[in-house]
Amino acid sequence: DTEVTQTPKHLVMGMTNKKSLKCEQHMGHRAMYWYKQKAKKPPELMFVYSYEKLSINESVPSRFSPECPNSSLLNLHLHALQPEDSALYLCASSPRQGLQETQYFGPGTRLLVL
Amino acid sequence: GENVEQHPSTLSVQEGDSAVIKCTYSDSASNYFPWYKQELGKRPQLIIDIRSNVGEKKDQRIAVTLNKTAKHFSLHITETQPEDSAVYFCAASTGVWDSNYQLIWGAGTKLIIKP
Repeated sequence: DTEVTQTPKHLVMGMTNKKSLKCEQHMGHRAMYWYKQKAKKPPELMFVYSYEKLSINESVPSRFSPECPNSSLLNLHLHALQPEDSALYLCASSPRQGLQETQYFGPGTRLLVL
Repeated sequence: GENVEQHPSTLSVQEGDSAVIKCTYSDSASNYFPWYKQELGKRPQLIIDIRSNVGEKKDQRIAVTLNKTAKHFSLHITETQPEDSAVYFCAASTGVWDSNYQLIWGAGTKLIIKP
């Protein structure tokens, strides 16, 4: 399996809802990433997990809560989001964090907050 | 911290012609420079990358050059085809330790191939 998968593909939620995004890879990668991408902009790093431990949090608001239950799975828990949080949320993985490793992206979850 | 500038923001070329996209970076410690292609509504996909110990890398119609002294790198696409139409992002690595290693992205170039 050489792909990063993400579910759901689309998500619409109200500002009081709680939802979760899921990302999975079976390439044996030990680094996993969450990015947020707005239209016509580059991906913006949110979190990095290395060996299931959070290594980077780019000052993301606490309404976004990441979780890495095991080396293959990465979740992003969403609560009390704002309309400006509407974006494409991309997950990526790489063999390791650092060491000039290539990042492979999932197809993304398109989130709309009403 | 690292800053990556990418030019042009939009590039329109005739099918069959060449396209060149340029990026400059600020952190002299950067050692990895990937290029990603993102088609509308799809994921970014790595098309080519270069590491700091080489000056040029080629893969069929795509090539990347790196000038570490000047701190710039470029993507070259020859014999462009309609399927090359997409947004292209350059990126540069930053971070002294593995734990703070990440990519800094350019703003993107929208490449339009005219038939």
